[in-house]
Amino acid sequence: DSGVTQTPKHLITATGQRVTLRCSPRSGDLSVYWYQQSLDQGLQFLIQYYNGEERAKGNILERFSAQQFPDLHSELNLSSLELGDSALYFCASSVGDWGNSPLHFGNGTRLTVT
Amino acid sequence: DAKTTQPPSMDCAEGRAANLPCNHSTISGNEYVYWYRQIHSQGPQYIIHGLKNNETNEMASLIITEDRKSSTLILPHATLRDTAVYYCIVRATASGGSYIPTFGRGTSLIVHP
Repeated sequence: DSGVTQTPKHLITATGQRVTLRCSPRSGDLSVYWYQQSLDQGLQFLIQYYNGEERAKGNILERFSAQQFPDLHSELNLSSLELGDSALYFCASSVGDWGNSPLHFGNGTRLTVT
Repeated sequence: DAKTTQPPSMDCAEGRAANLPCNHSTISGNEYVYWYRQIHSQGPQYIIHGLKNNETNEMASLIITEDRKSSTLILPHATLRDTAVYYCIVRATASGGSYIPTFGRGTSLIVHP
């Protein structure tokens, strides 16, 4: 158990809809990272937050947004969903910035867009 | 940014040592080498990391060459449950002033009976 909690585990929705994925980091971790993994694809970095502030951004679509709250949990919002958004979405956390401390991943949310 | 090169696949007999290589020839002096693995559709799992010295923990050993241009992850007694994709990560892609961990394709390790 990594200590990172992601909810829900599975999500099925229709095209055009909006969903929110939630992540609770390990106790004491200040950084939260979001990744997308499509079928047979690698892990694609989306965005990182550190202590409530956006720290780094990857190739995140404009339809996607995220935030980290004062209690350090994070939410990833996906809107105007398309079939191609179907994927596993992983959250990870680390004590500080990556490079000095390892990432610990949750077990992901599997999103299916129909 | 430093890049890593890993063989796409390897196999190993159960009970034998699995040695997974990684080349990172452009690594800079203050960059750690991290290893993770991902068992089918689960979240990636942190294994080990190191800077210059060899490291060992309950999961694996990490051997880093003296010039730091390559490393080897060693699973001393591989089991079927070690079948996974193994990722070697060094310097991440800088974005907005921060470094982010970028996962490549990794090495798919199959442990067979």
